[in-house]
Amino acid sequence: AQKVTQAQTEISVVEKEDVTLDCVYETRDTTYYLFWYKQPPSGELVFLIRRNSFDEQNEISGRYSWNFQKSTSSFNFTITASQVVDSAVYFCALSETETDSWGKLQFGAGTQVVVTP
Amino acid sequence: KAGVTQTPRYLIKTRGQQVTLSCSPISGHRSVSWYQQTPGQGLQFLFEYFSETQRNKGNFPGRFSGRQFSNSRSEMNVSTLELGDSALYLCASSPEIPGNTIYFGEGSWLTVV
Repeated sequence: AQKVTQAQTEISVVEKEDVTLDCVYETRDTTYYLFWYKQPPSGELVFLIRRNSFDEQNEISGRYSWNFQKSTSSFNFTITASQVVDSAVYFCALSETETDSWGKLQFGAGTQVVVTP
Repeated sequence: KAGVTQTPRYLIKTRGQQVTLSCSPISGHRSVSWYQQTPGQGLQFLFEYFSETQRNKGNFPGRFSGRQFSNSRSEMNVSTLELGDSALYLCASSPEIPGNTIYFGEGSWLTVV
């Protein structure tokens, strides 16, 4: 069963608009970690943010912010004032800990973000 | 600090051949995991090694294997290549503490013809 769902396949915006990417996850673990990665055309997965399950404080880091809500199992990610360089595929990922499998990431299908000038 | 290094970056193989991909993790990282990315299946976990032992394995046939050396470097091998093995193979490394950031290499693009 899919444990991480990214319902948005593609989002197109004009530069300077905000972009919010949705992520819904499923786990029975009480301790888990959530990540967002960016994948440009070169292929490398670039780490953006991570959040642990016991800290629901939402934060902002530069143009990135995230909204983690355990009650709805959602971990949404926002890019503020988008730029053309933000064009990439964005992946949400889950790391579960209670089966000693924290080194294994389970990814969503990804959301293609296209930012046009 | 050097990142995760994967070699080779690009390779073309013929059906039936075998291939070995290499991954050097970030210095000090003892966990190395491998992922396959294809347009149809997305990013799928292959296996994870920690201190030279396979700790987790994804749902892949036995043609896919790996190993980790005492210096934490890892290799993965695919035998009897099939056309469907054409993919981007990504290696990731992380420290041994759960929840730490997992860093990825640039990947190895494998084409099977």
